[in-house]
Amino acid sequence: GESVGLHLPTLSVQEGDNSIINCAYSNSASDYFIWYKQESGKGPQFIIDIRSNMDKRQGQRVTVLLNKTVKHLSLQIAATQPGDSAVYFCAELTRGGGANNLFFGTGTRLTVIP
Amino acid sequence: EAQVTQNPRYLITVTGKKLTVTCSQNMNHEYMSWYRQDPGLGLRQIYYSMNVEVTDKGDVPEGYKVSRKEKRNFPLILESPSPNQTSLYFCASSLYPPRETNSPLHFGNGTRLTVT
Repeated sequence: GESVGLHLPTLSVQEGDNSIINCAYSNSASDYFIWYKQESGKGPQFIIDIRSNMDKRQGQRVTVLLNKTVKHLSLQIAATQPGDSAVYFCAELTRGGGANNLFFGTGTRLTVIP
Repeated sequence: EAQVTQNPRYLITVTGKKLTVTCSQNMNHEYMSWYRQDPGLGLRQIYYSMNVEVTDKGDVPEGYKVSRKEKRNFPLILESPSPNQTSLYFCASSLYPPRETNSPLHFGNGTRLTVT
């Protein structure tokens, strides 16, 4: 999962397995969540988003699950590939914070073992 | 190709020497923003712009300036850089502010700044 600290949480998975990356948020007023992927030397890249009126959203090989009861967000990557190796982080938008109040987590480093 | 372009990619400078990091997007996006990324702290917003001539402070604006004279450009200015501004900087843009549906942020590839 994600945490504020000097060391990124890490996740290592075998190529072809499914990956689950977790994110906990603390603000119950957050109503929009985004997952980003950041490869080494590059800027963050949008993966998928979900609004608080949904529990699940699927994209290509990715699924985001939102559990508002426990303030938990997860990103599932199916059939993980070496190209999925990157840092993944979630961002949340808080209701009432204006159109721009987007907060980013610190990330989880995913390593795919060939 | 739709992209956000930052320059330079790497910059080493000395304390007090004014510098500008340029950012340009070719997607006709209204919203642009600058972030800094530091270990353990994630991305923190410096300044943002909702449209031409409209800019506002983010979470960590001290020591920075921005301008938005044209829609495509959003330069970040450090009038008197200090060592605590050593960081990885990202410019981002989106068609509308982040809250809007289907308006994800597009990021540049970053500028690594070192201030000695």
